[in-house]
Amino acid sequence: AQTVTQSQPEMSVQEAETVTLSCTYDTSESDYYLFWYKQPPSRQMILVIRQEAYKQQNATENRFSVNFQKAAKSFSLKISDSQLGDAAMYFCAYRSGTNAGKSTFGDGTTLTVKP
Amino acid sequence: DTGVSQNPRHKITKRGQNVTFRCDPISEHNRLYWYRQTLGQGPEFLTYFQNEAQLEKSRLLSDRFSAERPKGSFSTLEIQRTEQGDSAMYLCASSPGQGARTDTQYFGPGTRLTVL
Repeated sequence: AQTVTQSQPEMSVQEAETVTLSCTYDTSESDYYLFWYKQPPSRQMILVIRQEAYKQQNATENRFSVNFQKAAKSFSLKISDSQLGDAAMYFCAYRSGTNAGKSTFGDGTTLTVKP
Repeated sequence: DTGVSQNPRHKITKRGQNVTFRCDPISEHNRLYWYRQTLGQGPEFLTYFQNEAQLEKSRLLSDRFSAERPKGSFSTLEIQRTEQGDSAMYLCASSPGQGARTDTQYFGPGTRLTVL
């Protein structure tokens, strides 16, 4: 079974600075997708960024980028120029490329942005 | 495209009562998912539909839980004889069945269940 581990329960960053959130996963599959979701307090989960495992190039979405290390099974999220609105719980998620069903989530990292 | 909607947003019930939640997916998304999220944890998969067919169920989905998706549109999740351990946020998500981003799930705001 696939597992997703986020080893940092809490992180903080100064506004305008850069922060990196860590995620590791375990799988025996070669075809899969990885995601970072953001869940602000009492608000719904929204997709931040996605990565297809067969692509070597790291995904980028504006201030958000990932460092995808397939051999190491590592998928970290870098947030540049942090803003107060980035404060939220961030979840790393894994989804099989052959099974269109469930996604497996980590337990999340709470990000605090200090003004 | 109005996003995934869920009703009710909050539900308080007494132990032993039955509750039903509704999820309306993004239109034309033929895949629909239910997850449960407890405080401080990531979402845990419960079940998944493609159109009206329920294709996968987690072992977390005990006999007291049942989900339906008649006509492949909205879905309902019913919990019978609720227990205090059922208190959680119940999340619904949908994804397109074809085209780009079939791998990406879009989440609703969730239904928060409190069992007294």
